[in-house]
Amino acid sequence: DVVMTQTPVSLSVSLGNQASISCRSSQSLLHSDGNTYLSWYLQKPGQSPQLLIYLASNRFSGVSNRFSGSGSGTDFTLKISRVEPEDLGVYYCFQHTHLPYTFGAGTKLELK
Amino acid sequence: EVQLVESGGGLVQPGRSLKLSCAASGFTFSNYYMAWVRQAPKKGLEWVATISTSGSRTYYPDSVKGRFTISRDNAKSSLYLQMNSLKSEDTATYYCARASPFTPVAYWGQGTLVTVSS
Repeated sequence: DVVMTQTPVSLSVSLGNQASISCRSSQSLLHSDGNTYLSWYLQKPGQSPQLLIYLASNRFSGVSNRFSGSGSGTDFTLKISRVEPEDLGVYYCFQHTHLPYTFGAGTKLELK
Repeated sequence: EVQLVESGGGLVQPGRSLKLSCAASGFTFSNYYMAWVRQAPKKGLEWVATISTSGSRTYYPDSVKGRFTISRDNAKSSLYLQMNSLKSEDTATYYCARASPFTPVAYWGQGTLVTVSS
């Protein structure tokens, strides 16, 4: 199975600052069709997860442009610029290039 | 608006069975792959199953393969998860999810809690 390693486990940021979360996969996520099937989700406290980014760098419908995804192969990054209170929660990366699909363990974004 | 409403969770003894349902609305159900994802209490997310639009193809991780069965009824816009031989480690909130063109898990329901305990 592909192991998704997220760092850091938790991240304390001040409002208005930038946050960066790393996700590394144990195998390349580049599919034979040329796509990289890596998504990012945010789970706010007490809520279901919500999709932020798909195909490593594409923002989902309605997602703020303060969220950006980048990376290729095995190394991926989610950046959140100008952190706002509604950005707090746990962020997960998710690969669906290889079966079984696997999530990272999560990164908790907290206020400093 | 995409709406996914799960039901069927509850307390069940180890070794017994339970069937979850997910009622979908706000989109043409038969056009989308669907999935189940679970989250154990205070833990991370785990993909559980995916089903194709017609139901002819299903996918599972080894942790549930042979015990869980995902199915759908396109006429009723409903998704199901039949869970057999339940174990304590299956205790989790189970989310129904709809795919988008580039990810198998785009829209999520509110979840239903399954507790496996004697």
